[in-house]
Amino acid sequence: DAGITQSPRHKVTETGTPVTLRCHQTENHRYMYWYRQDPGHGLRLIHYSYGVKDTDKGEVSDGYSVSRSKTEDFLLTLESATSSQTSVYFCAISEWGDTQYFGPGTRLTVL
Amino acid sequence: SQQGEEDPQALSIQEGENATMNCSYKTSINNLQWYRQNSGRGLVHLILIRSNEREKHSGRLRVTLDTSKKSSSLLITASRAADTASYFCATLNTGNQFYFGTGTSLTVIP
Repeated sequence: DAGITQSPRHKVTETGTPVTLRCHQTENHRYMYWYRQDPGHGLRLIHYSYGVKDTDKGEVSDGYSVSRSKTEDFLLTLESATSSQTSVYFCAISEWGDTQYFGPGTRLTVL
Repeated sequence: SQQGEEDPQALSIQEGENATMNCSYKTSINNLQWYRQNSGRGLVHLILIRSNEREKHSGRLRVTLDTSKKSSSLLITASRAADTASYFCATLNTGNQFYFGTGTSLTVIP
């Protein structure tokens, strides 16, 4: 997990509230990714970034938005959280878009 | 879904035995990677094999790739209790998107 931090590590929120998760890296890697991990589904890509202000959608992007205004920070926002977004969220970074290095994860519970 | 599938979903072996897990995927790929996840932790990269490679070794790990069958296997030799974890394959497709499989849960009994 060296070089990648996620905050918060745990969050409980209510349906309909906005939530922002932060991923911070100190490796100066170009690529950053947000995944969610759910039992029976493995990891699914939500959004990724290939540079500052350059982002693209992944497999399960509905209900999520992202922003990357600095190389080191990649924010994931749930505009109006729903119970189906209860999950463990992982951030990952990659220098060349191949090998990924993962953060410790954020456990989000939406009541 | 373009996810890969790992087989078996769960595997239990004795320490010292070899563990083999398989991954199948659906699209053309640039490379395939294997990751390990210990309970409650993030994923750790193990090995990467490119689409033009057929076999790769790293320590006790051996990975094979058959692009004609869209499948890969991960062999862990002489397993140890510390190898107990979930193992995931991930494919980078030609559209530069990653897809992870659903994972194999490996238990190594001391």
